[in-house]
Amino acid sequence: SQTIHQWPATLVQPVGSPLSLECTVEGTSNPNLYWYRQAAGRGLQLLFYSVGIGQISSEVPQNLSASRPQDRQFILSSKKLLLSDSGFYLCAWRRTGEFEAFFGQGTRLTVV
Amino acid sequence: GEDVEQSLFLSVREGDSSVINCTYTDSSSTYLYWYKQEPGAGLQLLTYIFSNMDMKQDQRLTVLLNKKDKHLSLRIADTQTGDSAIYFCAERNSGFQKLVFGTGTRLLVSP
Repeated sequence: SQTIHQWPATLVQPVGSPLSLECTVEGTSNPNLYWYRQAAGRGLQLLFYSVGIGQISSEVPQNLSASRPQDRQFILSSKKLLLSDSGFYLCAWRRTGEFEAFFGQGTRLTVV
Repeated sequence: GEDVEQSLFLSVREGDSSVINCTYTDSSSTYLYWYKQEPGAGLQLLTYIFSNMDMKQDQRLTVLLNKKDKHLSLRIADTQTGDSAIYFCAERNSGFQKLVFGTGTRLLVSP
């Protein structure tokens, strides 16, 4: 069976510090991978998606970047966090040609 | 670009029906979804509908799609307190891999 792991579950970081959130998927190959941010009052915002290794599509210009160094690994990064980067970050995967996306448990990031 | 809108809150009494609405702008959307998010957790797929369907029923859930008006609704019959959660509408075009979500509707069910 397929599983998705996202860590850490919670993170408190000072303004200006770097960020690295990791998401890995097990039990499938060549998944489509997604990073979403859920901020209060703004719903679920698509940040990045990837259809293959090294292929990243950015949806919203911002302080964040994403990378996919391996087939089942998706990393969300920032060089210098802003207060506005606080939120609940969700990773998801979907098999090409199938309709359902599966979500990780999320990372609650608080920038102080 | 794609845009998916939902009302932010809905409050109902236990046993009543809940109707959560969603509008979208991408007329080429092929798949439309409803996801449920419980507090502090990820999202789980509740149900989905293909754009060539008008209605889909799954136990207490009924999805209605008005493709002309780009309007999707989720009806929950006999709403229970355990249905309290945030419900997200989402759409995807079959030609693209993007999955775009709405703003989410927080459903509060009171006893």
